Amino acid sequence: SQKIEQNSEALNIQEGKTATLTCNYTNYSPAYLQWYRQDPGRGPVFLLLIRENEKEKRKERLKVTFDTTLKQSLFHITASQPADSATYLCALPGYSSASKIIFGSGTRLSIRP
Amino acid sequence: ETGVTQSPTHLIKTRGQQVTLRCSSQSGHNTVSWYQQALGQGPQFIFQYYREEENGRGNFPPRFSGLQFPNYSSELNVNALELDDSALYLCASSLELAGGPEQYFGPGTRLTVT
Repeated sequence: SQKIEQNSEALNIQEGKTATLTCNYTNYSPAYLQWYRQDPGRGPVFLLLIRENEKEKRKERLKVTFDTTLKQSLFHITASQPADSATYLCALPGYSSASKIIFGSGTRLSIRP
Repeated sequence: ETGVTQSPTHLIKTRGQQVTLRCSSQSGHNTVSWYQQALGQGPQFIFQYYREEENGRGNFPPRFSGLQFPNYSSELNVNALELDDSALYLCASSLELAGGPEQYFGPGTRLTVT
């Protein structure tokens, strides 16, 4: 069955540095991968979608890479700020049904001033 | 803020009872998905509705059921509540597009079963 793995431990980064989060998946090749941000007690907020034929995508201070050979996506936040502190989730469409989106368990990111 | 709203915000129910959660999707979106999120976990897909028909279901028992209305709002019904049903229930709306739609989530309903 499909499996998504994200850094289970929280990531603590000094303000101004680049934060890098990892999403690994197994057992199939998705057509795309999504990244979401979730603040405590709130619903996830869509950030970026990268397709299998795209190596890299950028949006302001965010950059996502998608390596279909390694079955891995990296999510970077450059010039990190305390306001970037949140849990970041990666998500893939299901193997048997594209409507079934599979989420990882998320990585909690803390940016200290 | 997305245009997706959910009600109620919080709910406390007793084991064995039934509950109905409601979701209004973002204007123009014809697809609604429901998720269950336990503490410290990612959202788990329950089911999706597209133009009032169920369009995919996750590994949840039949006591989890849903509806989508002509205005694309949606309900999630859970019968015979169990303690493990305590979680944050999220709905997400999207405009069905080929190749992967973005989903817009509501704030969620926090359900506690005692």
